[in-house]
Amino acid sequence: QKEVEQDPGPLSVPEGAIVSLNCTYSNSAFQYFMWYRQYSRKGPELLMYTYSSGNKEDGRFTAQVDKSSKYISLFIRDSQPSDSATYLCAMSSNTGFQKLVFGTGTRLLVSP
Amino acid sequence: DVKVTQSSRYLVKRTGEKVFLECVQDMDHENMFWYRQDPGLGLRLIYFSYDVKMKEKGDIPEGYSVSREKKERFSLILESASTNQTSMYLCASCGPNTEAFFGQGTRLTVV
Repeated sequence: QKEVEQDPGPLSVPEGAIVSLNCTYSNSAFQYFMWYRQYSRKGPELLMYTYSSGNKEDGRFTAQVDKSSKYISLFIRDSQPSDSATYLCAMSSNTGFQKLVFGTGTRLLVSP
Repeated sequence: DVKVTQSSRYLVKRTGEKVFLECVQDMDHENMFWYRQDPGLGLRLIYFSYDVKMKEKGDIPEGYSVSREKKERFSLILESASTNQTSMYLCASCGPNTEAFFGQGTRLTVV
């Protein structure tokens, strides 16, 4: 079993929909949780970063962590075609970036 | 505008060749990383460096080596390229916090 599981998709939604992207994990020591967005033929870019449990909101994006269920989510409101990308979750038990464990990514397609 | 620059976007090399992938960052970051990204496997850490001339093995170092002679430059070396090293290679750098910046990636094909 992988340490971090993420549905590869693709997830296809119409413009304006609310999107929910999810990851589950097995290591209860994970405390730092991140979401990266990767456009086709580009490197990943950091989208959201949360520590421990709870919610964090940034514009149309909300990151949610449920440590009791070992489950994290990224919600995108009013999705746009420009949101079409692969979304990678990543998590770590400490602040060292080399300790990050990545999910395999979910490909999101938002149609106009 | 912060930048991590990888020297090549696409490379095609022959089996057995020695291959150099170069990465340069302009943010004065101490930490630099090399990952490979494969479908269904996600990002896997090959090597990282936390200082000049320092290096640590990641999860899949076999068949690779690295060099960090200057703070801004981190090179990945495939000593003798093999077809199973065909992949997307991503360089990243980060400072004291965990925010990291990635390069554009190098898509390497070994034939």
